[in-house]
Amino acid sequence: DVKVTQSSRYLVKRTGEKVFLECVQDMDHENMFWYRQDPGLGLRLIYFSYDVKMKEKGDIPEGYSVSREKKERFSLILESASTNQTSMYLCASSSGLVINEQFFGPGTRLTVL
Amino acid sequence: DQQVKQNSPSLSVQEGRISILNCDYTNSMFDYFLWYKKYPAEGPTFLISISSIKDKNEDGRFTVFLNKSAKHLSLHIVPSQPGDSAVYFCAAYYNNNDMRFGAGTRLTVKP
Repeated sequence: DVKVTQSSRYLVKRTGEKVFLECVQDMDHENMFWYRQDPGLGLRLIYFSYDVKMKEKGDIPEGYSVSREKKERFSLILESASTNQTSMYLCASSSGLVINEQFFGPGTRLTVL
Repeated sequence: DQQVKQNSPSLSVQEGRISILNCDYTNSMFDYFLWYKKYPAEGPTFLISISSIKDKNEDGRFTVFLNKSAKHLSLHIVPSQPGDSAVYFCAAYYNNNDMRFGAGTRLTVKP
């Protein structure tokens, strides 16, 4: 059974804190993605990665960075959290051959106070 | 700029009837379309997809229709069941570029 796990389901941080969101997949997928989901806006792509040590900006990369040191792990970093980064964060992965069918983790609801 | 739009934030239908969820897109380069289903506290799961070379794809109770000239696709669920109650996201994709999602439609199927 395919599995994408995210380190936390709920997270509360203060403005200015550095925040790490971790995502791990056990399907040996090449591609990994970070989205945020906001009401009325759907899922918006923050960053994605096609391979280890590779990263590409999505639609809304400002205020975020990512790290992919190992194939199975893709980390999203908020260098200095702000209140407008309060959101649901979803990680996904897909095979290099079937990039369009993505498998999602359960999400992390981040609140920045 | 939202290239994929789901204009109905919510839809309510009676159990056993048909549910029709709609999606419009603006980018004519999109050549692959997907529907994802999301339950509360879970990530979205892939439901059904359609390539732009087709106008219909069916999988059990779920059928997706694509009208390329109108840049419109729809998901039909027949018959609807209470377990279908979820948020449905339409997504579009082309040429190894990132996937674009709609805002989602919350479907409620009443017993």
